[in-house]
Amino acid sequence: GNSVTQMEGPVTLSEEAFLTINCTYTATGYPSLFWYVQYPGEGLQLLLKATKADDKGSNKGFEATYRKETTSFHLEKGSVQVSDSAVYFCALSELGQNFVFGPGTRLSVLP
Amino acid sequence: GAVVSQHPSWVICKSGTSVKIECRSLDFQATTMFWYRQFPKQSLMLMATSNEGSKATYEQGVEKDKFLINHASLTLSTLTVTSAHPEDSSFYICSARVIGSYEQYFGPGTRLTVT
Repeated sequence: GNSVTQMEGPVTLSEEAFLTINCTYTATGYPSLFWYVQYPGEGLQLLLKATKADDKGSNKGFEATYRKETTSFHLEKGSVQVSDSAVYFCALSELGQNFVFGPGTRLSVLP
Repeated sequence: GAVVSQHPSWVICKSGTSVKIECRSLDFQATTMFWYRQFPKQSLMLMATSNEGSKATYEQGVEKDKFLINHASLTLSTLTVTSAHPEDSSFYICSARVIGSYEQYFGPGTRLTVT
């Protein structure tokens, strides 16, 4: 079956540091890939997505590129802020089927 | 944009009682909705797939007689937790797939606490 693996953290960074959260996936077909963010006590917010190989999703300074050859979708941000502290989930969905989520990565950004 | 609502957003109930959670697509129709559960500090796990007008499909290990799902219309699916126990305390999130599309949207979640 399909699966998603991501670094679980927690990750602690200083403000303005560079962020990378690794995500790799296993899928039988050609899934769409997503990053969701969850703030404490809240639901999921879609951060970015990519639907095919070599697509780059971007939003609010975050970026991720769909790499089919390495089955990866790593999340990056050049300069994190305290307000980016949250849990980040990498996920996939294939042809409108259910989402499969990674374990989540807890990010803490210190001032 | 497409909006999915859940009601209630949080609920506290006593052990042994039943709780119904609603998932509504507000501005689109959805023949398929998915129900997920998230325990504290864990990821989301699929519980069941709800299809309008037919029986839900449950994931392995999810008791269908305990978690009753009804998808009676193209905009509403309900999850009823029957005879709730403290171990059912969790965050329940639904997603709805736009009819005729692969696009899906998540609801804001319902936090259930069973005392």
